[in-house]
Amino acid sequence: SQTIHQWPATLVQPVGSPLSLECTVEGTSNPNLYWYRQAAGRGLQLLFYSVGIGQISSEVPQNLSASRPQDRQFILSSKKLLLSDSGFYLCAWSRVHEQYFGPGTRLTVT
Amino acid sequence: DAKTTQPPSMDCAEGRAANLPCNHSTISGNEYVYWYRQIHSQGPQYIIHGLKNNETNEMASLIITEDRKSSTLILPHATLRDTAVYYCIVRVDFTGTASKLTFGTGTRLQVTL
Repeated sequence: SQTIHQWPATLVQPVGSPLSLECTVEGTSNPNLYWYRQAAGRGLQLLFYSVGIGQISSEVPQNLSASRPQDRQFILSSKKLLLSDSGFYLCAWSRVHEQYFGPGTRLTVT
Repeated sequence: DAKTTQPPSMDCAEGRAANLPCNHSTISGNEYVYWYRQIHSQGPQYIIHGLKNNETNEMASLIITEDRKSSTLILPHATLRDTAVYYCIVRVDFTGTASKLTFGTGTRLQVTL
């Protein structure tokens, strides 16, 4: 069976500090991978998606970047965090139809 | 992707069927109807999807009208653990491409004793 991991589960970072969130998928090959963000009390917003190693598509311009160094690894990064980067970050994977989400990382920028 | 309209909230008594409606009057012929739910502080969970025919799995049933302009998600015996925000999403899917989901505001289902 397939499993998706995200870490850390929670993170508190000061404004201006760097960020690295990691997501890995087990039990499948060549998945499509996604990063979403959910701000407090808001809906989910798609940030990035990837259909293969090194292939990244950005949905919204922002202070974040994504990379896919391996088939089942997806990384979300920032060089300098802003207060507005606070939120619940979710990684997901899919094949054709259904999408499966990880447990999420709750980021608070102070 | 076609726009969807859902009621903001619904209540359901535990053990009864929960029927969650979704309008998607601008749906096109190759767009699927998806349902996801998000329990508080967790990631969304896939429930079911369909194109034209009604679908059933271990979690729920999906009833799509003949003109495909609306659908209903049915949780046959709701439990307290089904309390969540339910999202109806309409989109086209192609093999080999990313399945970009646009989550609206959904329906907040509250299951009560």
